[in-house]
Amino acid sequence: EPEVTQTPSHQVTQMGQEVILRCVPISNHLYFYWYRQILGQKVEFLVSFYNNEISEKSEIFDDQFSVERPDGSNFTLKIRSTKLEDSAMYFCASSRLNSNQPQHFGDGTRLSIL
Amino acid sequence: AQSVTQLDSQVPVFEEAPVELRCNYSSSVSVYLFWYVQYPNQGLQLLLKYLSGSTLVKGINGFEAEFNKSQTSFHLRKPSVHISDTAEYFCAVTSGGNAGNMLTFGGGTRLMVKP
Repeated sequence: EPEVTQTPSHQVTQMGQEVILRCVPISNHLYFYWYRQILGQKVEFLVSFYNNEISEKSEIFDDQFSVERPDGSNFTLKIRSTKLEDSAMYFCASSRLNSNQPQHFGDGTRLSIL
Repeated sequence: AQSVTQLDSQVPVFEEAPVELRCNYSSSVSVYLFWYVQYPNQGLQLLLKYLSGSTLVKGINGFEAEFNKSQTSFHLRKPSVHISDTAEYFCAVTSGGNAGNMLTFGGGTRLMVKP
């Protein structure tokens, strides 16, 4: 069964540095998402992406964050000038169509900011 | 705005016993409902979904859930659990209509199956 793949599985970065989290969505999916889960807290929506543009974003997704689909397969989340509170598990998801289609999640990238 | 409440943060249960994980939601519009499971060090795997039609939906691994609109609930059940069902379970909701709608998750319920 096709999977969403995320790399790296664990990223350790110094505070203030930029980090790029990478995702390869399922190939015939059209909608892409990023979520994060701070340790011990809920999974929170960050952003959704369709047709090469952001379709929805949460209050968390401020100017520090950006997303890109640099080629036909990758979907990236860039976090500029990282802060300690950015430490979390970041999940990428994709879905074939719109909201009545389930989102398929990757295994996540654990981001640790030192 | 929509929200999801999972009333139990942890549910301990003995192997082969039945289990119910509770989920309540609030939304001003019609919703689609999902249950996801997260095994240790893994991502979120879809267990089942309610989109429309029959209010009793069956999912993988012997789980089922019942949508109750009047009580705004979507409780997850399994008649007999196994050790391998030990995991974190998340209820999630999204509203119909626009493309790319966000999932709103509950806080999760840790199911701990004991031998």
